[in-house]
Amino acid sequence: AQKVTQAQTEISVVEKEDVTLDCVYETRDTTYYLFWYKQPPSGELVFLIRRNSFDEQNEISGRYSWNFQKSTSSFNFTITASQVVDSAVYFCALSALNYGGSQGNLIFGKGTKLSVKP
Amino acid sequence: NAGVTQTPKFRILKIGQSMTLQCAQDMNHNYMYWYRQDPGMGLKLIYYSVGAGITDKGEVPNGYNVSRSTTEDFPLRLELAAPSQTSVYFCASRMDAGLNTEAFFGQGTRLTVV
Repeated sequence: AQKVTQAQTEISVVEKEDVTLDCVYETRDTTYYLFWYKQPPSGELVFLIRRNSFDEQNEISGRYSWNFQKSTSSFNFTITASQVVDSAVYFCALSALNYGGSQGNLIFGKGTKLSVKP
Repeated sequence: NAGVTQTPKFRILKIGQSMTLQCAQDMNHNYMYWYRQDPGMGLKLIYYSVGAGITDKGEVPNGYNVSRSTTEDFPLRLELAAPSQTSVYFCASRMDAGLNTEAFFGQGTRLTVV
């Protein structure tokens, strides 16, 4: 079965704190991709990053970093020195071969709502 | 380049009414999708299309219909609205079916059925 679990429903931090959003996935495919999307209060979904199953190198982009570990089936997202503008719902998603009958359909986790307070 | 455009942004329907949620993309993407987002539940795939004239069911298709007469448009039809269809609906498109291809999302349609 294909599944994405984001166990943290809501997280609240104070500005400048570091915060890590957890994502655990399940798939039997050996080739797959993982994504993170951001949904700010305005409602749209914004693509942040993708990572393929063969590349376990961590990625850093400014204050954002991602840690992919196949051994624990996790793809965690860390925001360093959080800011109020980071307040949003963050979704982790898996691109798998057989979800919904077609290659590449995205399976989403339930999302983690991050609130960054000034 | 507008990307993926959804209309309307908000709608209130009475039980039993029907309506069509519109979705259009100008990126010449073959693959288009409809998701619904319920509070605390993430996004669930309703229907998808791999090209004009080809559609297929996703995870939660009951109560919905779609059509894809052109590459650009992928409308979602609710025939007999029910309170369980109260949700936020997102249309998305992708360039191809590659596992690594990101999806581009519309702004969403917030639908309330009363």
